[in-house]
Amino acid sequence: QKEVEQNSGPLSVPEGAIASLNCTYSDRGSQSFFWYRQYSGKSPELIMSIYSNGDKEDGRFTAQLNKASQYVSLLIRDSQPSDSATYLCAVYSSASKIIFGSGTRLSIRP
Amino acid sequence: KAGVTQTPRYLIKTRGQQVTLSCSPISGHRSVSWYQQTPGQGLQFLFEYFSETQRNKGNFPGRFSGRQFSNSRSEMNVSTLELGDSALYLCASRTGTGKYEQYFGPGTRLTVT
Repeated sequence: QKEVEQNSGPLSVPEGAIASLNCTYSDRGSQSFFWYRQYSGKSPELIMSIYSNGDKEDGRFTAQLNKASQYVSLLIRDSQPSDSATYLCAVYSSASKIIFGSGTRLSIRP
Repeated sequence: KAGVTQTPRYLIKTRGQQVTLSCSPISGHRSVSWYQQTPGQGLQFLFEYFSETQRNKGNFPGRFSGRQFSNSRSEMNVSTLELGDSALYLCASRTGTGKYEQYFGPGTRLTVT
């Protein structure tokens, strides 16, 4: 079992709709969770961090964390073509390492 | 604040050679981590340095090594390069204490021929 799992996609969403990206993790002792966006040929960019159960909103982005289910998600409202990228889920594990999932490729179709 | 910088941005080396990559973290950040990114394996953790000490290490062979200087700048070295070492090498920095948000540099694209 991978430490951080994501559906590789591609996930295709119409412009203006909500994109929902999911991530599960295996280390129950993990405390910090992150979402990064990576455009093709570029380095990852931090877009959200979440530490507590529940929702955290920042503009069009909402991160959701459920530690009991070991599940993190990212919602992107009013999706724009510029949101087309690979989204990486990252977890700060109990081994003091930040572990990345393999990423979900998101495509926003006009 | 200036972001994380990495040099060089692109590098072509021959199998068997060695290479040194450099990373300057965000001012005030004392932790520097290195990652290897390939299409097949994704983003793989190499090691983390904090205050000139290696704090954590991934599952890479001993050919991969690193160090950190007193000004928090870091270098990583790969000796006896193999074709499979061709990858994007990313450096990320964070404060090193408290919050764990880390910020990536632009990366060094290494091609081994």
